[in-house]
Amino acid sequence: NAGVMQNPRHLVRRRGQEARLRCSPVKGHSHVYWYRQLPEEGLKFMVYLQKENIIDESGMPKERFSAEFPKEGPSILRIQQVVRGDSAAYFCASSPAGQGYQPQHFGDGTRLSIL
Amino acid sequence: AQKITQTQPGMFVQEKEAVTLDCTYDTSDPSYGLFWYKQPSSGEMIFLIYQGSYDQQNATEGRYSLNFQKARKSANLVISASQLGDSAMYFCAMREGLGGSNYKLTFGKGTLLTVNP
Repeated sequence: NAGVMQNPRHLVRRRGQEARLRCSPVKGHSHVYWYRQLPEEGLKFMVYLQKENIIDESGMPKERFSAEFPKEGPSILRIQQVVRGDSAAYFCASSPAGQGYQPQHFGDGTRLSIL
Repeated sequence: AQKITQTQPGMFVQEKEAVTLDCTYDTSDPSYGLFWYKQPSSGEMIFLIYQGSYDQQNATEGRYSLNFQKARKSANLVISASQLGDSAMYFCAMREGLGGSNYKLTFGKGTLLTVNP
């Protein structure tokens, strides 16, 4: 499968724990985006990364959330000290560099549940 | 103001009939792109069709076509010959500033389409 790979598909955490969500983009794609989908809502942009750089994190909460896309390995969205309100589906998307008309290809998402 | 508005929370259509899902958008940027995605109950996001603001013709992809009315700022998705497998949530999304560094997509709240046999 050459598409965007996200894992885990489902993640359960207790309040106060850390959640790590992983995303491997389509081979050859250098742009990665993270979106959050709350129940009954559309996706909301969180952060846009290129290799080793955060380009736009305007949609990410200022505290507890961080993202990285290292030179080697998957992109990671990290949520520290999770709270009930963090329960959502988190989607990663990727696209090739340069052309804004290229569609973003999405992974299957990680469903995060906070107990 | 909402950048993407999908006014139909739910739609029903009979199998083999055509259906139009509405999407209006709001932007002052002359350069933008409009995307439609399908989200079945299994949860994945599937890209369907794209329309650029400078495209002269309406986009088509198989049974999907986009009714693009730039002056009205609408980009309705038309699905012809509906199939049971078309039952899903459909999202309209926009990217503003195609030539710049803004790559994020802004999504509408979606329309839940149910295809009846």
